[in-house]
This record gives sequence, structure tokens and C-alpha cells, in this order.
Amino acid sequence: DVKVTQSSRYLVKRTGEKVFLECVQDMDHENMFWYRQDPGLGLRLIYFSYDVKMKEKGDIPEGYSVSREKKERFSLILESASTNQTSMYLCASITQPNQPQHFGDGTRLSIL
Amino acid sequence: QKEVEQNSGPLSVPEGAIASLNCTYSDRVSQSFFWYRQYSGKSPELIMSIYSNGDKEDGRFTAQLNKASQYVSLLIRDSQPSDSATYLCAVNYSGGSNYKLTFGKGTLLTVNP
Repeated sequence: DVKVTQSSRYLVKRTGEKVFLECVQDMDHENMFWYRQDPGLGLRLIYFSYDVKMKEKGDIPEGYSVSREKKERFSLILESASTNQTSMYLCASITQPNQPQHFGDGTRLSIL
Repeated sequence: QKEVEQNSGPLSVPEGAIASLNCTYSDRVSQSFFWYRQYSGKSPELIMSIYSNGDKEDGRFTAQLNKASQYVSLLIRDSQPSDSATYLCAVNYSGGSNYKLTFGKGTLLTVNP
């Protein structure tokens, strides 16, 4: 089974802090994704990566950046956290096109 | 803008009934379709994949795909209270980066004992 692990289930940070969310997958998947999920808005793609050091913006990249230094790890960075970034963050990975994405358990992030 | 629309719900059915969840998508050239189940506070988990027209059955779940009508549905037979969750429809669009999925906003299903 595919295992996608997110570093924290719950996280509380303060406005203006730099926040790192980590995601690791154990199946040698090339493609990894970061989403946020908010009530009424569904899942929205922030960034994805199709290879080490390669990234592409999703639908809502503003205020976020990403890092992929190793194939198994994909990090989401909130450069200066704001209260409107309070959300559930989900990481996913996939190995081949047209296959389903596998999700981590999610990180519920609160920015105070 | 590629879109995936789901019946907004919430949908409430009695235990033992058939629950029917519907999804339409905007791009005719779509290749793969997925249904995810998401319990409150949890992450989405894959329950069905379907790639060609017709029905695909897995236990109590049946996915139906009609590409001509751009319509995909999920039927849950003999619904159980444990099926109470939000169901997400996801579509993989061909062209460009076809690793990406577009998700519907989900339908909340409640199965009443």
C-alpha cells in the first residue's frame, strides 16, 4: 500500500511566522501535490511537483512556496503566515498519469 | 476552466436503501474518474476508479460512467450508517499535465439507522 505521511496532524502558528509543512511518500512516486480544503470551497491545488527540484503552480499559489530536494519529500512553505491560511492541508502523490492520487492524513493548521 | 459538479446535498437515506451520488464534468476529453470518501476531519480515501463507459462494481459500490453525457455516478447498495461521509468526485483531464485531478466540492451523505 502507498504510504503518504504528513509531519503534523495539528499545528498552531502565529501571524507572520514562516511555516513548514512536510510530506513524505514511500513508493518512489514522481508526482506530489499540495492542496488546501475549506468548507464550501472543496479541494484546491496549491502547487505540485513532477520531479526533484521541479514545481508548477496550481490554482491558488499566492502566499505559498514549495521545496522538493529529494524525491520522497515535498515541503509546503508559508512565507509569512496569515489568518486566511487557516485550513486543512492535504498532500498527495501519484506515480503514473490517469491513476488515482493517494492522500496523507492531512494537517489542520490554525494561524492566530 | 474545467469543472466538476456534484449534487450539492446533503443526501439522507435510510439504512439498507440505495444511495445515488451524481457528478458531471465539463471537458469531453477526460480519461479517468475517481470517487473518494471523506469522513469528517479525515483525508479522502479512494473507493472507486472507472476508465471506460459502463458499470464497475466493487462490493456494495457501483460506479457508472457515460462519457457521451459527461456523467459519472456512484451507487451504494444496502447503505450502512458507516457510509455516512462526504463523497468527492474527481476527474483527470487529458492534455497538459495529466497527473492533475479536478475535484467536485463533494456530496454529504447521511445514512439513518
